[in-house]
Amino acid sequence: DTGVSQNPRHKITKRGQNVTFRCDPISEHNRLYWYRQTLGQGPEFLTYFQNEAQLEKSRLLSDRFSAERPKGSFSTLEIQRTEQGDSAMYLCASTLGQGENTEAFFGQGTRLTVV
Amino acid sequence: DAKTTQPNSMESNEEEPVHLPCNHSTISGTDYIHWYRQLPSQGPEYVIHGLTSNVNNRMASLAIAEDRKSSTLILHRATLRDAAVYYCILRDETTSGTYKYIFGTGTRLKVLA
Repeated sequence: DTGVSQNPRHKITKRGQNVTFRCDPISEHNRLYWYRQTLGQGPEFLTYFQNEAQLEKSRLLSDRFSAERPKGSFSTLEIQRTEQGDSAMYLCASTLGQGENTEAFFGQGTRLTVV
Repeated sequence: DAKTTQPNSMESNEEEPVHLPCNHSTISGTDYIHWYRQLPSQGPEYVIHGLTSNVNNRMASLAIAEDRKSSTLILHRATLRDAAVYYCILRDETTSGTYKYIFGTGTRLKVLA
């Protein structure tokens, strides 16, 4: 198993463009999380999937953001009409279950720069 | 909001022990204390977690105060590869009944050769 994979690793886009990121979790993991991290800060929770169902969304997730996890496997995070404030690292994590002994596995992230 | 407070930065000499403190005064009786670290240009990775007793694994040790309001991550012999931001985390239960990690700003550990 290669762990959690995120693509692309880096994305530079012009303000106003749409971008889409992909996350491939560890294959048997049923829970998937998206976080956003800005420079000098810890990751902030954005949204959570259990299998294909999106069960939780942070208030940070504006209407321009949408996430999907079709068939409960990979997930995509789309940002429409990007703004400079969207520049950040977008991290994906997956877990098997959610007990206290559950370890979250994070991908290496997608760094978005909006110019 | 993060439920933990940590020093912004610490320094250690290579091959010396490092003690990274964390305060979590509002911890509940059932909250586990989780530690993750984030190497440069990487996602966070699991280090250790515990409830009441001190815990050891191949990466580190976790010492938990008797009142559980603070804990200390111990790296027994710091190496240059241990230079990272270390996060002490209490999980937060969401409205859907799942748990999410609430990260603070962590402690940036610098290891001096």
